[in-house]
Amino acid sequence: DTGVSQDPRHKITKRGQNVTFRCDPISEHNRLYWYRQTLGQGPEFLTYFQNEAQLEKSRLLSDRFSAERPKGSFSTLEIQRTEQGDSAMYLCASTRTVANTGELFFGEGSRLTVL
Amino acid sequence: AQSVSQHNHHVILSEAASLELGCNYSYGGTVNLFWYVQYPGQHLQLLLKYFSGDPLVKGIKGFEAEFIKSKFSFNLRKPSVQWSDTAEYFCAVNSGTASKLTFGTGTRLQVTL
Repeated sequence: DTGVSQDPRHKITKRGQNVTFRCDPISEHNRLYWYRQTLGQGPEFLTYFQNEAQLEKSRLLSDRFSAERPKGSFSTLEIQRTEQGDSAMYLCASTRTVANTGELFFGEGSRLTVL
Repeated sequence: AQSVSQHNHHVILSEAASLELGCNYSYGGTVNLFWYVQYPGQHLQLLLKYFSGDPLVKGIKGFEAEFIKSKFSFNLRKPSVQWSDTAEYFCAVNSGTASKLTFGTGTRLQVTL
């Protein structure tokens, strides 16, 4: 399967711990997005990269959240000092910028449960 | 800022019934519009999209959507639903120059036999 892959699929952690999620986009895609989805809501934009540059961050992305895409390929999303309110599904998506159509290809997500 | 409203949160239909899910967006400029579907246990996938041209667009599995600019709407339709259409449906929009998609809250469709 050459789609977007995310790891781990499910993470359970205690409040105050740090967690890191990894996303591997479709290989020829230069844009990579992170979204967060909570129960009963649609995906909410967090941040996106074009190649290795982080071009936009949502105000939802507090200073406890950091994302990187060091070589313009895979990306990591780290949450420091997790809180129960961070419990959600974290979605990664990728696309190519040709024609800027905006069609995103999503991974299956990483579900975070903070106890 | 752009936003998307999906007024139907949970819809239950019998197989073969017709479907229409509402989607309204707020943005005054050029938009690209999308419907995504998430089947149980699967990732979000594109159902159909509108960029320009014919406002009636057809997608996979017999779905279609109509862009009505004057109403800021992009409703999803299917003449006859199947049990396998049970899923969550999300409407999304981006502006002609914006790089991110803004999603609605989703509509959960349950099709009964």
